[in-house]
Amino acid sequence: DAKTTQPNSMESNEEEPVHLPCNHSTISGTDYIHWYRQLPSQGPEYVIHGLTSNVNNRMASLAIAEDRKSSTLILHRATLRDAAVYYCILREGTYKYIFGTGTRLKVLA
Amino acid sequence: DVKVTQSSRYLVKRTGEKVFLECVQDMDHENMFWYRQDPGLGLRLIYFSYDVKMKEKGDIPEGYSVSREKKERFSLILESASTNQTSMYLCASSFSDRGNYGYTFGSGTRLTVV
Repeated sequence: DAKTTQPNSMESNEEEPVHLPCNHSTISGTDYIHWYRQLPSQGPEYVIHGLTSNVNNRMASLAIAEDRKSSTLILHRATLRDAAVYYCILREGTYKYIFGTGTRLKVLA
Repeated sequence: DVKVTQSSRYLVKRTGEKVFLECVQDMDHENMFWYRQDPGLGLRLIYFSYDVKMKEKGDIPEGYSVSREKKERFSLILESASTNQTSMYLCASSFSDRGNYGYTFGSGTRLTVV
């Protein structure tokens, strides 16, 4: 199974950008890179995904390395509501994700 | 708003009971999934279904079964609940594709087996 590696935790100051890294050195050519976040007492929430090119949406940006062995989720201005566990996931085959343990982001006021 | 609805937010059951966790989605998604989430272990896939009446085992299917009689509904069954099945259970759904769509998760059911 393709795997992802993320730091266990990170801290950021409010209103500053946050770069959350993810390594996925065993990614295959057809694996999409997905990011989710999980707020306390809630199910995971979709953030963004991409295949090869960088992607932007209203929540975040995703920067994918040229060799696709790593990616970075960018929150442009962290708020207290962004404090969550962030999961970087590869879409395994057609049907399923393999979740790791994610990065716990703490945002300091 | 598109939704995945899990029937119970909190559930307490006794050891040996048969337990049904229900999940309903309103997005016409082909795929549905059951995960459990435990501290330090992340989300682990129990079962998934890619069509009505179709099911596939995930990584930890032992002690569980599933049922999908209608496209919108996916049930997780604990045949004889045990204390090691105390966990947060999460249902998700998605379109059938090769990775270009995300999952929508429910809010979870926190099951305690006593």
